[in-house]
Amino acid sequence: EVQLVESGGDLVQPGESLRLSCGASGFSFSNYWMGWVRQAPGKLQWVATINEGGRDKYYVDSVKGRFTISRDNARNSLYLQMNSLKGEDTALYYCARIRGNIQLFDNWGQGTLVTVSS
Amino acid sequence: DIQMTQSPSTLSAFVGDRVTITCRASQSIGTWLAWLQQKPGKAPKLLIYKASNLESGVPSRFSGRGSGTEFTLTIDSLQPDDFATYYCQQYNTYSTFGQGTKVEIK
Repeated sequence: EVQLVESGGDLVQPGESLRLSCGASGFSFSNYWMGWVRQAPGKLQWVATINEGGRDKYYVDSVKGRFTISRDNARNSLYLQMNSLKGEDTALYYCARIRGNIQLFDNWGQGTLVTVSS
Repeated sequence: DIQMTQSPSTLSAFVGDRVTITCRASQSIGTWLAWLQQKPGKAPKLLIYKASNLESGVPSRFSGRGSGTEFTLTIDSLQPDDFATYYCQQYNTYSTFGQGTKVEIK
């Protein structure tokens, strides 16, 4: 069974940084593209994607230059480093497995909550 | 950016009804469209991919159609477990989601 477990969400002030983690199990992690999707109340937004080897990375425009996606295949883990956080980054952040090399999210974690507020 | 627009935003229906949700893309996406179901407090779940392909384990009362810019999700004989919010998602160019359609009990 595919399992994705996110952690690292917290309440932070604007301008601060946070690192999210996602532990994967039940599948061959190193063979899959992975992504982060966030959800503000009722609204889903793709955030970032990384290929199997970690070399190719893609971001939504609103986080480019502030967020960095990375992975450690030896640890079956996905990460999202978030810097210069803004109020509009407040959301539940999901880790998701991608089918093929297209942005089809076929398995999702339960999410970790990031709140950016002073 | 490709914008995805769903209608209606809310749909009230009885158990046993046939319901249809529409999703329109701001430009052609071929059949690179997925439908997801989300229940309160839970993660989204993939139901349909490539516009009309049923994900493994999803009941056959769910079906998807369309190509280009207009797509539909139909649920035949709505069941109590189907009351949820449904999202369309394009994955032709990166990924964007519709705003969701909440299916409520009438």
